[in-house]
Amino acid sequence: DAKTTQPPSMDCAEGRAANLPCNHSTISGNEYVYWYRQIHSQGPQYIIHGLKNNETNEMASLIITEDRKSSTLILPHATLRDTAVYYCIVRETGNQFYFGTGTSLTVIP
Amino acid sequence: GAVVSQHPSWVICKSGTSVKIECRSLDFQATTMFWYRQFPKQSLMLMATSNEGSKATYEQGVEKDKFLINHASLTLSTLTVTSAHPEDSSFYICSATGPRTPLHFGNGTRLTVT
Repeated sequence: DAKTTQPPSMDCAEGRAANLPCNHSTISGNEYVYWYRQIHSQGPQYIIHGLKNNETNEMASLIITEDRKSSTLILPHATLRDTAVYYCIVRETGNQFYFGTGTSLTVIP
Repeated sequence: GAVVSQHPSWVICKSGTSVKIECRSLDFQATTMFWYRQFPKQSLMLMATSNEGSKATYEQGVEKDKFLINHASLTLSTLTVTSAHPEDSSFYICSATGPRTPLHFGNGTRLTVT
């Protein structure tokens, strides 16, 4: 079962940073935090993942709190094409990937 | 980056027939593949996990005799929906992961059973 909670929906103005929160208060020491997004009628797209350090790649930044009980995905300059459902998943290597309900992000022109 | 190819992207079949969906990892060895189904406006529901060369592990409530999964090589897994019925109509998505490779998803298969 999914071990994360996310707000069901968020809006963000185009060009501004989108900050998507995720709570994973029962995360264990070996579990990574993964973020994916799904645009309508497509397969989910990998964004970023991390264990305890903050991570950054060409798509986004991942900020994980020191106690690892929550994290934030940051899209630095949101575009209309970033409108999607964003999923936060915690998983230990070798275990299943369970999806929660995700956050539906709408980027507004 | 890692690519997972899923085929077909959509299929329409008649009740009682079987449908096979293929999932291939194109540039990495997929030691584990997951199969999901997704109903409109809902999240992805994990159906089964398959490790290369061994039998798939099905989630509770998923009929293994109805959804046959084969993962015979490190680059190919198949899902066969047997004796399909209209209630099996859904969006089926495969995903694959390997050593040092995050989970990547195919683009899904829209199955419509008439």
